[in-house]
Amino acid sequence: SAVISQKPSRDICQRGTSLTIQCQVDSQVTMMFWYRQQPGQSLTLIATANQGSEATYESGFVIDKFPISRPNLTFSTLTVSNMSPEDSSIYLCSAETGQGASYEQYFGPGTRLTVT
Amino acid sequence: QKEVEQNSGPLSVPEGAIASLNCTYSDRGSQSFFWYRQYSGKSPELIMFIYSNGDKEDGRFTAQLNKASQYVSLLIRDSQPSDSATYLCAVFGGATNKLIFGTGTLLAVQP
Repeated sequence: SAVISQKPSRDICQRGTSLTIQCQVDSQVTMMFWYRQQPGQSLTLIATANQGSEATYESGFVIDKFPISRPNLTFSTLTVSNMSPEDSSIYLCSAETGQGASYEQYFGPGTRLTVT
Repeated sequence: QKEVEQNSGPLSVPEGAIASLNCTYSDRGSQSFFWYRQYSGKSPELIMFIYSNGDKEDGRFTAQLNKASQYVSLLIRDSQPSDSATYLCAVFGGATNKLIFGTGTLLAVQP
């Protein structure tokens, strides 16, 4: 398994500003991911954070709005840029661990973002 | 058709009973199957994973997989009020090669 921490745990931000969320894993992992979960809904994958290369974004998410960094195998950041109230959500970092044909994803505690 | 389907519930069971949570998936090429528990206001916690047809037991939890029927379930024996949470089914592999989540089933265990 993996122990994942995120900072900040929550924030209230004004529209038009940006927030960077940090994610730290307690061990080196190949794959890290960023998800969004809106109230009462399931998880939506934003992007895969690739170490040493640009992140891979899912349909509906773009780099200008959600820039991602992955400087090494234990750390990633997600920035939510030019925020609007529609960006209010919980943002979750996850990491994949395992070997061979067996891989599991574990989640950080999440960042609860409110945009006013 | 959704890629991963779950009944949203709530599923209400009395304390001590068996809770049965069900999930179906559409991609026959899916390879790995996961159950996450999510308490209100918390992040998802991985509680079970299964890769092969049949049953996998871990304590009070049993995951069941039937690839021919594209069906995976989670049984919780001796349900406790602390088991009350949303249970998310997730499926990996196949055409998307990503972890796809269902919308979750809310379980309420009545004391």
